[in-house]
Amino acid sequence: AQSVAQPEDQVNVAEGNPLTVKCTYSVSGNPYLFWYVQYPNRGLQFLLKYITGDNLVKGSYGFEAEFNKSQTSFHLKKPSALVSDSALYFCAVRDGSGGGADGLTFGKGTHLIIQP
Amino acid sequence: GAVVSQHPSRVICKSGTSVKIECRSLDFQATTMFWYRQFPKQSLMLMATSNEGSKATYEQGVEKDKFLINHASLTLSTLTVTSAHPEDSSFYICSARPGTMTGELFFGEGSRLTVL
Repeated sequence: AQSVAQPEDQVNVAEGNPLTVKCTYSVSGNPYLFWYVQYPNRGLQFLLKYITGDNLVKGSYGFEAEFNKSQTSFHLKKPSALVSDSALYFCAVRDGSGGGADGLTFGKGTHLIIQP
Repeated sequence: GAVVSQHPSRVICKSGTSVKIECRSLDFQATTMFWYRQFPKQSLMLMATSNEGSKATYEQGVEKDKFLINHASLTLSTLTVTSAHPEDSSFYICSARPGTMTGELFFGEGSRLTVL
């Protein structure tokens, strides 16, 4: 079975400061990892993904994430936070070896609050 | 990115009635679509995988007779909540994946169901 842990319910960051939203995963095969953002009463928007290759992945809106196989982590980062980044962020995983569900397994989400 | 359209965005119904939610892939064909349910301040729970031309695959604990899924074409999947009860009130989100299996899921805007 595959699972995702987002240990922080909420992360507070001052505008202009760097931000990190943590994610760890568990999967039996090759991890396909994703970050999504959700604004209130809206669907999820894709930010970035790691499938293979460079461990540092760059995505939309200036976000990036680093795949760390030994720590089974895929933390989301941004060098300088904007107030408009305030939203709910989901980390998700799928077993790329075909041993798990075809749909994504999501973490419980982290509320990111950027303070002006 | 690919566009997934979901309709209606909000629906209020009386207990005992049935409600249909449509999910369309607008610019790609989707042999597989996924239906998620999201409770307030919680993560997304995969309900079922909708397969074009065949029966949907339901996750454990999801009543297939309660949540009817039909995937009649490569661009349309429908979720019908039958004999709805207040506990079925939730945010339902569909998603689809174009192209290769490594690709990200694209999500509809969600449907807020309120059962009175």
